[in-house]
Amino acid sequence: NAGVTQTPKFRILKIGQSMTLQCAQDMNHNYMYWYRQDPGMGLKLIYYSVGAGITDKGEVPNGYNVSRSTTEDFPLRLELAAPSQTSVYFCASSFSPRQVLYGYTFGSGTRLTVV
Amino acid sequence: GQNIDQPTEMTATEGAIVQINCTYQTSGFNGLFWYQQHAGEAPTFLSYNVLDGLEEKGRFSSFLSRSKGYSYLLLKELQMKDSASYLCAVNWNSGAGSYQLTFGKGTKLSVIP
Repeated sequence: NAGVTQTPKFRILKIGQSMTLQCAQDMNHNYMYWYRQDPGMGLKLIYYSVGAGITDKGEVPNGYNVSRSTTEDFPLRLELAAPSQTSVYFCASSFSPRQVLYGYTFGSGTRLTVV
Repeated sequence: GQNIDQPTEMTATEGAIVQINCTYQTSGFNGLFWYQQHAGEAPTFLSYNVLDGLEEKGRFSSFLSRSKGYSYLLLKELQMKDSASYLCAVNWNSGAGSYQLTFGKGTKLSVIP
């Protein structure tokens, strides 16, 4: 089982460029999430999805977009990258909240620097 | 909104016991998680409490009091490899059948010889 796979692991972007962070899971989880983690600030929820075709904003959605065309994939799109988006990005997945006994499974993260 | 507080840093000695506290204020509470995160790595699941009381898993135990909005993670027989950040996270009902997980800022634990 691969679990949650994120690509790329590292990326340097110039201000104004765009990119897509990829996330795929093979556990048949309905729920998927994107978090960002800044030093000393904990993880902040960007967007989440409760199933294919359904997405919703989290705490810090500005500057990002998502789509969920399949159960397995949940890409995060950055348009017009800004230095404030320099962060470590984690994708996670889980069964429904009624079945969270084993928690959320996180990908290994993408370290993004915008210069 | 959701508010979660935990100490920023703690230091403990190898072989000792340490307790990391977490207080929270939230609506639609649906359980509390503890995660371990080593530097440069992803968080990994440690425990989940949805009812009051103590859950024990080997050297790690987690306690929850919903009426007090309080939880703690207890680590026994500390080992050097336990040096990591410990994240308290609350699962809550955000409405229309959706749930979110909100994290505290984490407690960085340093285990010294």
